Amino acid sequence: NAGVTQTPKFRVLKTGQSMTLLCAQDMNHEYMYWYRQDPGMGLRLIHYSVGEGTTAKGEVPDGYNVSRLKKQNFLLGLESAAPSQTSVYFCASSYSAGATYEQYFGPGTRLTVT
Amino acid sequence: GNSVTQMEGPVTLSEEAFLTINCTYTATGYPSLFWYVQYPGEGLQLLLKATKADDKGSNKGFEATYRKETTSFHLEKDSVQVSDSAVYFCALRGETSGSRLTFGEGTQLTVNP
Repeated sequence: NAGVTQTPKFRVLKTGQSMTLLCAQDMNHEYMYWYRQDPGMGLRLIHYSVGEGTTAKGEVPDGYNVSRLKKQNFLLGLESAAPSQTSVYFCASSYSAGATYEQYFGPGTRLTVT
Repeated sequence: GNSVTQMEGPVTLSEEAFLTINCTYTATGYPSLFWYVQYPGEGLQLLLKATKADDKGSNKGFEATYRKETTSFHLEKDSVQVSDSAVYFCALRGETSGSRLTFGEGTQLTVNP
């Protein structure tokens, strides 16, 4: 049981390049989330999904797109990377029921845009 | 909207010292409250939680009590260890937020031997 995995672990992009971050979970969770972590700002929600084929905007969605074609995968895309998108990106997943919706996090992807 | 404010860090302590990390929140109604921990190079892990007022969450010697009257959820531990060195995040889930969490800015804790 691998939990939540993220690919790649590190990436360097030039301004204007595109890339896709992959998140996979093997816990049969309905809900999945993408966050970015910046110094002094905690984690901010980019997009999330409450089920296969559905996505919704979070707190900071501009410049990102997402897709949830399979229940176990949640993709985060950057169409035209900007230096402001330099950050550590975390994926998480949770059950759809229960009082606390505990979120399980992946190890993160460190992205640098030059 | 919902918000979480944590004490400014970083915090540096000696082993076996007492730890308090302050967390206050702004939310309507009765949110659920959480502490997450992030060890170096890893993702976040749930440390403890409380879902209603006066609940006390506890795990690995850490405790936090949900205080509705002061809108606080301070994290405490009697005797910290070097292995507790990590970043600690306070978070809340609002009554109308579905499963979404709002995080504080995080507090870096370093424990020296």
